[in-house]
Amino acid sequence: EVQLLESGGGLVQPGGSLRVSCAASGFTFSAYRMAWVRQSPGKGPEWVAHIEKDGREKYYVDSVKGRFTISRDNAENSLYLQMNSLRVHDTAVYYCARNRHIGARRWLDYWGQGTLVTVSS
Amino acid sequence: SYVLTQPPSVSVAPGKTARITCGGDNIEAISVHWYQQKPGQAPFLVVYDDSDRPSGIPERFSGSNSGNTATLTISRVEVGDEADYYCQVWDRDTDHYVFGTGTKVTVL
Repeated sequence: EVQLLESGGGLVQPGGSLRVSCAASGFTFSAYRMAWVRQSPGKGPEWVAHIEKDGREKYYVDSVKGRFTISRDNAENSLYLQMNSLRVHDTAVYYCARNRHIGARRWLDYWGQGTLVTVSS
Repeated sequence: SYVLTQPPSVSVAPGKTARITCGGDNIEAISVHWYQQKPGQAPFLVVYDDSDRPSGIPERFSGSNSGNTATLTISRVEVGDEADYYCQVWDRDTDHYVFGTGTKVTVL
């Protein structure tokens, strides 16, 4: 059974840093592109970043470029999101999700339960 | 960037059919995926690649994509289908995932 378990969320002051993690199990982690998606209170999902299977290529939404870093450890079956210079509007539930694709068609077939990040003074 | 537009809400009586639209420029040229999200839960894939269902999703959920509109159809609606629904596409030009604005389905 595919499982994705996020951790590391919490309350942080504006300008602060936080690292959230995602522990994967039930599938060959190194064979999948992985993504972080966030959802602010009362809003829809917003893709944040994704990372290729080998960790070499990474893509970010413009609003987090230069502040967030996605990484992975395939030996530990883990995905990470390092968040620096956090802003109030980064407040959201952060989900990790597994990517599936057929050719150029891509979707997210499994999601974790999410971890809440609150940026507030 | 690519924009996906959904109606904010759809109301339907139990046993009837709900249709949720997702509008985008020439959306038929790209693959559309649909997620269900119930309060306090993570999004859950119900249709991928326009019209395919993951294992375990009832046949009551179906999808189509034509012109500038993709549609998620829920037949014989049940109270348990009450949720927010989001469409999603992948923008190959930017390698970004794009989500729709979301539709709240209320079962009357």
